[in-house]
Amino acid sequence: KQEVTQIPAALSVPEGENLVLNCSFTDSAIYNLQWFRQDPGKGLTSLLLIQSSQREQTSGRLNASLDKSSGRSTLYIAASQPGDSATYLCAVRVGGYQKVTFGTGTKLQVIP
Amino acid sequence: DTGVSQNPRHKITKRGQNVTFRCDPISEHNRLYWYRQTLGQGPEFLTYFQNEAQLEKSRLLSDRFSAERPKGSFSTLEIQRTEQGDSAMYLCASSSPPGGEAGELFFGEGSRLTVL
Repeated sequence: KQEVTQIPAALSVPEGENLVLNCSFTDSAIYNLQWFRQDPGKGLTSLLLIQSSQREQTSGRLNASLDKSSGRSTLYIAASQPGDSATYLCAVRVGGYQKVTFGTGTKLQVIP
Repeated sequence: DTGVSQNPRHKITKRGQNVTFRCDPISEHNRLYWYRQTLGQGPEFLTYFQNEAQLEKSRLLSDRFSAERPKGSFSTLEIQRTEQGDSAMYLCASSSPPGGEAGELFFGEGSRLTVL
């Protein structure tokens, strides 16, 4: 059974700081890994999708890396802004199945 | 807007009543998913459709829950005889088949259920 863990559960940083969010998973036979952002009371917004054959993906100030052998992914946010405040979730799809397993998220607060 | 659409956004009901949620996926997506999310937790998988066929169901989907996607387009999730433990956000997502942007999930805004 795939288990996904995100550490830390909450993070508070001053505006402008670079930061790293962590995601670890127990089954390395993944098909892909996706990072999402969720604002309070809202749905999930896709940030980055990394296929199992890829090592990283970049979009603007965001960079996500994937290390299947160690069962880890990181989301790097450069020059954080107050608008980045949200909960960040990673989700892992195991090859051959459609079920996606989510972590419990990291709640980020960027202080102006 | 061609994103995933969910209705209603918020439903308040009394225990024992039936409720139904609707999801309209992105039009070219043939895969549709339902998830449930409670406060402070990540979404939990409920069920998955490819076109009109329901191919996976979680053990979380008790006998009181039923989902349909009759024409392979929109989907409904019905909860019968609601219980207070059913209070949650119900999220719908769709994705393109392999060969497209393989397996990327796109979520709607969710339908929040409150059972009194």
